Amino acid sequence: DSGVTQTPKHLITATGQRVTLRCSPRSGDLSVYWYQQSLDQGLQFLIQYYNGEERAKGNILERFSAQQFPDLHSELNLSSLELGDSALYFCASSPRVSNNYGYTFGSGTRLTVV
Amino acid sequence: QQQVKQSPQSLIVQKGGISIINCAYENTAFDYFPWYQQFPGKGPALLIAIRPDVSEKKEGRFTISFNKSAKQFSLHIMDSQPGDSATYFCAASMLGNTGKLIFGQGTTLQVKP
Repeated sequence: DSGVTQTPKHLITATGQRVTLRCSPRSGDLSVYWYQQSLDQGLQFLIQYYNGEERAKGNILERFSAQQFPDLHSELNLSSLELGDSALYFCASSPRVSNNYGYTFGSGTRLTVV
Repeated sequence: QQQVKQSPQSLIVQKGGISIINCAYENTAFDYFPWYQQFPGKGPALLIAIRPDVSEKKEGRFTISFNKSAKQFSLHIMDSQPGDSATYFCAASMLGNTGKLIFGQGTTLQVKP
């Protein structure tokens, strides 16, 4: 157990729907990162939050949004889902805003859009 | 300029052999280079990392070699074992006010017994 908890582990939904992925960071970690892993794109950085504030943004679609709550858990919201959004979505956390010593990934949420 | 290119895409090695995975980058502002190991159904796990002020770092059977002038770095797995069979990702980031990582495309390693 890495200490980063992601729920749900699997999600199957239809095109056009909206889903919410949840991440609880490792105890004491203030930064949360979201990554998308697909077969053809590898691991793509989506967004980082640090202590409740957005810190960095990657190739995140406008249909996707995220937030970090006061208890430091984070949610990634995916709307108007398309078949191409099917992927593994990973959350990671680290103690600080930068990546001084690497960070810890959760086990991911596998999203299947049908 | 933000890309990290990784090769080979897949690798088969006999037990006891040396596995070598290579990565190249273009952005000279990158100053932190980790390697992650991922088993099926799991998230990537940090294996070993290096900063550009050293040319080599060794942890057990895993060694990173870093060539700053060539903008290349590689992972060597000595005495490869079947338990090392996994997907390996190199990555790069800039130490600063974000922890964003740019990942290579990954290498699937199979170690045959």
